[in-house]
Amino acid sequence: GAVVSQHPSWVICKSGTSVKIECRSLDFQATTMFWYRQFPKQSLMLMATSNEGSKATYEQGVEKDKFLINHASLTLSTLTVTSAHPEDSSFYICSARGDGGAYEQYFGPGTRLTVT
Amino acid sequence: AQSVSQHNHHVILSEAASLELGCNYSYGGTVNLFWYVQYPGQHLQLLLKYFSGDPLVKGIKGFEAEFIKSKFSFNLRKPSVQWSDTAEYFCAVTPNTDKLIFGTGTRLQVFP
Repeated sequence: GAVVSQHPSWVICKSGTSVKIECRSLDFQATTMFWYRQFPKQSLMLMATSNEGSKATYEQGVEKDKFLINHASLTLSTLTVTSAHPEDSSFYICSARGDGGAYEQYFGPGTRLTVT
Repeated sequence: AQSVSQHNHHVILSEAASLELGCNYSYGGTVNLFWYVQYPGQHLQLLLKYFSGDPLVKGIKGFEAEFIKSKFSFNLRKPSVQWSDTAEYFCAVTPNTDKLIFGTGTRLQVFP
């Protein structure tokens, strides 16, 4: 149980275009989902927290107009990188937490974004 | 600044050696503590967690961690590592919120 999927697993896009990444909780309802960014050989940095049906809460320094997050249902959250630039190239990871809570998060496999 | 520190960035061991990975945090008050593992090409998996109670926590695959409140530490241990333990290990803390704050990670390489 507690499986989280991400789609796509990798994507290459041209500078200036937008890319949408999906995060799904497959066997549980996720009231809260989190989006992280991981640079090579570095740790995960929390970008934003999204709760189903409400606006996402972004961490300091994360541009909310650039990284659009939508959590429209209890099993799906999306991250859209708008007007992507090469510096947005990174590994994006989502996690989900169900109502059982206890602060335990289940992680997706990540999405490798390369902006050319 | 408040943070989570993992002092061992890269650890190399032979099979059957004992392992201890350090994790220190600088948050006050009540914290929840986690160790996650990321095997090559795979997603993060929870090894173990501490919320309250017995400060010695046992996790999956023979790992354990000890919470020492006075030292703000939550070190990960395994008495005898295997080649299959080669992975990246992350300590994480939720300091009174639902946000996971990750340490920088420790890369463990185990040679047969």
